[in-house]
Amino acid sequence: DQQVKQNSPSLSVQEGRISILNCDYTNSMFDYFLWYKKYPAEGPTFLISISSIKDKNEDGRFTVFLNKSAKHLSLHIVPSQPGDSAVYFCAASDRGSQGNLIFGKGTKLSVKP
Amino acid sequence: KAGVTQTPRYLIKTRGQQVTLSCSPISGHRSVSWYQQTPGQGLQFLFEYFSETQRNKGNFPGRFSGRQFSNSRSEMNVSTLELGDSALYLCASSLGQGGYEQYFGPGTRLTVT
Repeated sequence: DQQVKQNSPSLSVQEGRISILNCDYTNSMFDYFLWYKKYPAEGPTFLISISSIKDKNEDGRFTVFLNKSAKHLSLHIVPSQPGDSAVYFCAASDRGSQGNLIFGKGTKLSVKP
Repeated sequence: KAGVTQTPRYLIKTRGQQVTLSCSPISGHRSVSWYQQTPGQGLQFLFEYFSETQRNKGNFPGRFSGRQFSNSRSEMNVSTLELGDSALYLCASSLGQGGYEQYFGPGTRLTVT
């Protein structure tokens, strides 16, 4: 059973507009959430994280929102750039029990010039 | 600071053979995790090593094993290779064990024929 779900396999956005990537989780014990970006033939690169005690975290063009009651998080990229085109993975962990990261299957973002 | 390195980058093996993959973590990182990535399946957690001890293990058969050395370098071994083992194998390192930010290497692309 998937504990972390990214229901959209792909997303296409125009350059300059907002990209919103979504992620749902089922385990209420998860207390730490991360987003990674992956280009072909490279390993995933850490983008941004959020602890369950917060509902928002910003880093430049990237903002992650966490809705604990809905068990949902999202990554907003504003403005989107062609270089943002990549596969984005959502991950979660139960740090209290030193659990490993659980990854979603990823969403492929294409930003059109 | 040098990133996570993995060797070899590409490998072709025959069904029934065994393979050993190597990972050198970022200096100072004591935790090493291994993941398998196949198309449409995202990153599947294999195992995590911290201070030379396996701390977490994913749902993979016993043909998949690993170890960590005193310098935190890690190796992963797959015995009796099957066609379905063809995948990108990713290694990630982090400062602490469990669900901390992990930094990934470029991966080893294993093809089993």
